[in-house]
Amino acid sequence: LAKTTQPISMDSYEGQEVNITCSHNNIATNDYITWYQQFPSQGPRFIIQGYKTKVTNEVASLFIPADRKSSTLSLPRVSLSDTAVYYCLVVAPTGGFKTIFGAGTRLFVKA
Amino acid sequence: DTEVTQTPKHLVMGMTNKKSLKCEQHMGHRAMYWYKQKAKKPPELMFVYSYEKLSINESVPSRFSPECPNSSLLNLHLHALQPEDSALYLCASSLTGSGNTIYFGEGSWLTVV
Repeated sequence: LAKTTQPISMDSYEGQEVNITCSHNNIATNDYITWYQQFPSQGPRFIIQGYKTKVTNEVASLFIPADRKSSTLSLPRVSLSDTAVYYCLVVAPTGGFKTIFGAGTRLFVKA
Repeated sequence: DTEVTQTPKHLVMGMTNKKSLKCEQHMGHRAMYWYKQKAKKPPELMFVYSYEKLSINESVPSRFSPECPNSSLLNLHLHALQPEDSALYLCASSLTGSGNTIYFGEGSWLTVV
């Protein structure tokens, strides 16, 4: 499984767009990238998943460049309730069940 | 319904007690997981069951004993725990293990006194 590296923490203000970048230099050809959000005292919540280029859903966008060695989670117009820890994971499509979390990024949104 | 239900939400137990954490899902998922999470740390994988068979044990001490009675239920039996085992225990499930989205429960807070 590819190791992921994210910034430890980020600050933002309400209404801003937040981009969190994750490095995964050793990503394998068939691996894909998944992001989770976790609030204090709650389980992680799936946000978005992608393999290449751009994926968008109702809460976020995920940008993956052609070399796939990094990915960027984009949260449009954050609010105070987006204050949480965001985890980037590289997931293998085959070969087992291991989903290993990296250290995560603590996002703090200020008023 | 993408829900994984864990009970109890909070548990305080003594080091000589025997207790269990329970987890239930009705999404038809065939892979179920236990994670342990200490404060300000990421979740750490403990066990994985696939089709009710133990698939992964991440070298977890034997005082933690998982059980998967059927495809919807997952238990974690606790015995002779140590104070350092106090943590948030997360149950999760996925359709299969091959990279499918994992859905987490809200967790059970365990305090060992």
